[in-house]
Amino acid sequence: KNEVEQSPQNLTAQEGEFITINCSYSVGISALHWLQQHPGGGIVSLFMLSSGKKKHGRLIATINIQEKHSSLHITASHPRDSAVYTCAVKYYGGSQGNLIFGKGTKLSVKP
Amino acid sequence: EADIYQTPRYLVIGTGKKITLECSQTMGHDKMYWYQQDPGMELHLIHYSYGVNSTEKGDLSSESTVSRIRTEHFPLTLESARPSHTSQYLCASSELNYGYTFGSGTRLTVV
Repeated sequence: KNEVEQSPQNLTAQEGEFITINCSYSVGISALHWLQQHPGGGIVSLFMLSSGKKKHGRLIATINIQEKHSSLHITASHPRDSAVYTCAVKYYGGSQGNLIFGKGTKLSVKP
Repeated sequence: EADIYQTPRYLVIGTGKKITLECSQTMGHDKMYWYQQDPGMELHLIHYSYGVNSTEKGDLSSESTVSRIRTEHFPLTLESARPSHTSQYLCASSELNYGYTFGSGTRLTVV
């Protein structure tokens, strides 16, 4: 059983749609990261959250610590948003600095 | 502009060869990491370092070794490459209370 579960695994949207990617985890965490990886590209850290909500441009990330759940929202989606979005948690215990990664959500935005 | 650099981006090498994957960062981060990612799977930590002369194995067993002689440099070495080592290797660095910065990765194929 993976300690970090993401849904959906694959997502296809039309340009302009509002997109939500979900992440649930089962361990106590000190922070949660959302990462983006374009095809053939490197990984970019979008957000680091320990509570509440963060916004950067059209991207919004929220976290509910009590429910052990985070969401990544993309407003007015665009084909350039097509990428794999991965949730990763920094958990208490285990190797310090270690992150547990979800399997990622592959997003494809059609024009 | 990437502040963490990995070379090479792609490497195809024969079985039994010794290889070193390079990783350098210009941010002065003390913490650096190597992750391994197989296609469609989550990232797994194979090595990490908290600073010069500090290296530890991660949660995923790996036959590779690392060194940290300088803060900015964290190379990973495979003494004798095997087809089972075919994977993507990602280097990252972090600083307290900040997110992670990832390199673009090295896609290694051992034939």
